[in-house]
Amino acid sequence: QMRLVQSGGGVVQPGGSLTLSCATSDITFRTYGMHWVRQAPGKGLEWVAFIRYDGENKFYADSVKGRFSVSRDNSKNTLDLQLNSLRPEDTAVYFCAREVERWLQLRGLGDWGQGTLVTVTS
Amino acid sequence: DIQVTQSPSSLSASVGDSVTITCRASQSISRYLNWYQQKPGIAPKLLIYAASSLQSGVPPRFSASGSGTEFTLTISSLQPEDFATYYCQQSSSAPLTFGGGTKVEIK
Repeated sequence: QMRLVQSGGGVVQPGGSLTLSCATSDITFRTYGMHWVRQAPGKGLEWVAFIRYDGENKFYADSVKGRFSVSRDNSKNTLDLQLNSLRPEDTAVYFCAREVERWLQLRGLGDWGQGTLVTVTS
Repeated sequence: DIQVTQSPSSLSASVGDSVTITCRASQSISRYLNWYQQKPGIAPKLLIYAASSLQSGVPPRFSASGSGTEFTLTISSLQPEDFATYYCQQSSSAPLTFGGGTKVEIK
């Protein structure tokens, strides 16, 4: 089981930017694709983004495409999500999660981080 | 995008009851369907992978089946710790999409 620890988040004004991070000490990190998923207050789950284990392929939900950017540093076992041009509707708890199996992409979400709240408000 | 519709959105049941949750995809997704359990304030947990594969550590009272567009999750003999919200999620193609969730409450 991969323990994922999230940081970042907070309160930001509309149009602002924020970076979320997800870190692990698990050395197998570089063999797993990674996802971001969000959950607006009292709502269901929304998949946000995916990055392949080597960082070569990235996928985004239409709702964030062009505004959010996912990246990873396999030398540091870290995953980032850069959130730009934030809107009130981006307010949510954001979770990082590892791909369900090594080397695969977009097949499911295995271990999850604890989540971090992003609030977009003026 | 592939839409995933879950039903019911909520249900009330007693400890020991058996419950079934249904998930329907807007097009065939083969067996690329996963089930998650989420308790308040906690990250979701993967229960079932690829339509019917029970994840390690998940009690055998959880079972799932289906292929194509129709899938079901069954919890036999509900336990107090099973009261939670359940989500299905398709992984046939990007963007990955979740069902709206089914809240299982204590009657």
